[in-house]
Amino acid sequence: DAKTTQPTSMDCAEGRAANLPCNHSTISGNEYVYWYRQIHSQGPQYIIHGLKNNETNEMASLIITEDRKSSTLILPHATLRDTAVYYCIVRVHKAAGNKLTFGGGTRVLVKP
Amino acid sequence: EAGVTQFPSHSVIEKGQTVTLRCDPISGHDNLYWYRRVMGKEIKFLLHFVKESKQDESGMPNNRFLAERTGGTYSTLKVQPAELEDSGVYFCASSQEPRQGGNREQFFGPGTRLTVL
Repeated sequence: DAKTTQPTSMDCAEGRAANLPCNHSTISGNEYVYWYRQIHSQGPQYIIHGLKNNETNEMASLIITEDRKSSTLILPHATLRDTAVYYCIVRVHKAAGNKLTFGGGTRVLVKP
Repeated sequence: EAGVTQFPSHSVIEKGQTVTLRCDPISGHDNLYWYRRVMGKEIKFLLHFVKESKQDESGMPNNRFLAERTGGTYSTLKVQPAELEDSGVYFCASSQEPRQGGNREQFFGPGTRLTVL
């Protein structure tokens, strides 16, 4: 699976949008971009994923550049409960499922 | 519907002792994964079951770790004998049998915090 690069940390004001960048310049054509987060003392939680097109769900939006070498996770209205470590992961979809490879992630602190 | 559950939530043992961690996946999920985070490090994959078969055990650190999933339901991870460097949080995750192009979301349990003294 391709390697990703994320900023170590970032702060965000409550109620504002949080934009989390991720570089994955060596991504292959069959690799998906996944985002997970880990809130303190909990297990990682799936947020969203995409291949080429931008995606949106009830939690966030995922913007993938046309060359797929980078992406941005957008939390539209950050709340204090969004304080967590956010992981950008690229992986192929194997027939029998496959592991997640976590990097260091971005530690997001949402401030009042 | 119940999520992934893990037992115990915390375990404190002495070096050389044996500990068994248990994971109950979401009902109907064929895929079961074990991960761990040791202090100050990233979350690392340990192994992957598909039903009762080990699909990928490339992340298992050494032969002191033994994972089983008899009957394809719950799984256990035994550490014997435990060493100081085994301390960390052990996560279990499960997912459904993936469909072409479908989501491969993994649902994680809350983890077991293991402390080896």
